[in-house]
This record gives sequence, structure tokens and C-alpha cells, in this order.
Amino acid sequence: NAGVTQTPKFQVLKTGQSMTLQCAQDMNHEYMSWYRQDPGMGLRLIHYSVGAGITDQGEVPNGYNVSRSTTEDFPLRLLSAAPSQTSVYFCASSRGQDQPQHFGDGTRLSIL
Amino acid sequence: AQKVTQAQTEISVVEKEDVTLDCVYETRDTTYYLFWYKQPPSGELVFLIRRNSFDEQNEISGRYSWNFQKSTSSFNFTITASQVVDSAVYFCALSEWGTNAGKSTFGDGTTLTVKP
Repeated sequence: NAGVTQTPKFQVLKTGQSMTLQCAQDMNHEYMSWYRQDPGMGLRLIHYSVGAGITDQGEVPNGYNVSRSTTEDFPLRLLSAAPSQTSVYFCASSRGQDQPQHFGDGTRLSIL
Repeated sequence: AQKVTQAQTEISVVEKEDVTLDCVYETRDTTYYLFWYKQPPSGELVFLIRRNSFDEQNEISGRYSWNFQKSTSSFNFTITASQVVDSAVYFCALSEWGTNAGKSTFGDGTTLTVKP
């Protein structure tokens, strides 16, 4: 049982490049979310999904896109990377609103 | 709008001291859920406890205890007889049942350092 798997673990991009952070879970969880963690700012919600085909914006959605074509996968796309998007990104899933979230190990992204 | 405030940015204690981490939340929903997570230096996020808005019963689990008080909108976390392995960042989080279903709001975290 792998839980929540994020790839890659590390990535360095140049300003203006695009990329997709992958997130997959094997627990059949309906709810999935993407967060970014910056020093001293906790976890900020980027986008979230309550089921396949349903996504919504969180607190800091600008510059990011998501899709949820299957229950298992929830990729996060950076459209045109900016230095302000340098951060650690966490994907999480849960069985429902009242349930704890299971987190991936994170992706450390640096944008030069 | 939902909000979580962890006013203590950093706390440093000596091993075996008791320490309480504060969490204050804001919500307009009557049905909501509160969580504590731990992030050790290795970086992973680990779930510790959940409490729903209808259950104000305090809980003790080994050296950990949680005090939920709706009257003050607080959900505080106490570690008794702290150990070096308790050193981590601790996050309090809130999720609502109603129109914000699917969203969770985290506090900025409290960094706890336990010195030997």
C-alpha cells in the first residue's frame, strides 16, 4: 500500500518553463489537495478536488492548473514558472471532509 | 471564512518539561473538524488527532493530550514530559462541512525544539 506518491522529489526549473507535478493515491480517496509550504507560512491550499471531474481553487491558485480525470491521479501544472513559485509542494488525499489527510513526501521545486 | 491561528511561532523547552501548543480557529459553520499534524525534521506530515465540533471531550494519548473548547474556539495540544524526538513543526488545521467541503485551512505552525 503506497499511500500518496509524488513525483519528482526534486526539480530545478528556469523561469518561464512549464512542468507537471504528479500525484497518485491508491486508497480510493475522493478528496485530494495540493499545498505549497513556504518558510514560516504553513501549508497554503492551491487547488483541491472532491472527486473525479471536480476541481476548485484554494487560497493561492494563480499560476497553477489541475485536473482530476481519475480518482487516483491529481496532477498539478505550472504554466510558466516564476521564482515566486519556489517552494515545497505537498499532495494530500482523504476519505472525506471529516477524515485526516494523508500526505505525499513532497516535491522540492526551485525556480531560477 | 475559515481561519486558524497558531500564535506561537517557536517554542524551546528542555527535555522532560511539559509544553502546550495553542490553536485558535474561526469558522461560521456549526459542523467542523479540527486536526493536529506533526512535521518532524525529515519533512513528512503525520496526522496526530481529529476532533469534531460536537465532541468537546478532551483526550489523552500517552504523553499527548488535547483540550478542545468551543467557547474560546481553541484546540490546544499538550506534550507531557517532552522528549528530543518531539522536536518538530506542529500544525493545527480546520475543515468545514458546508460550502467549503474539500477545503482545509492550516495554521502557520509552531516549531517545537526540545533540548536534551
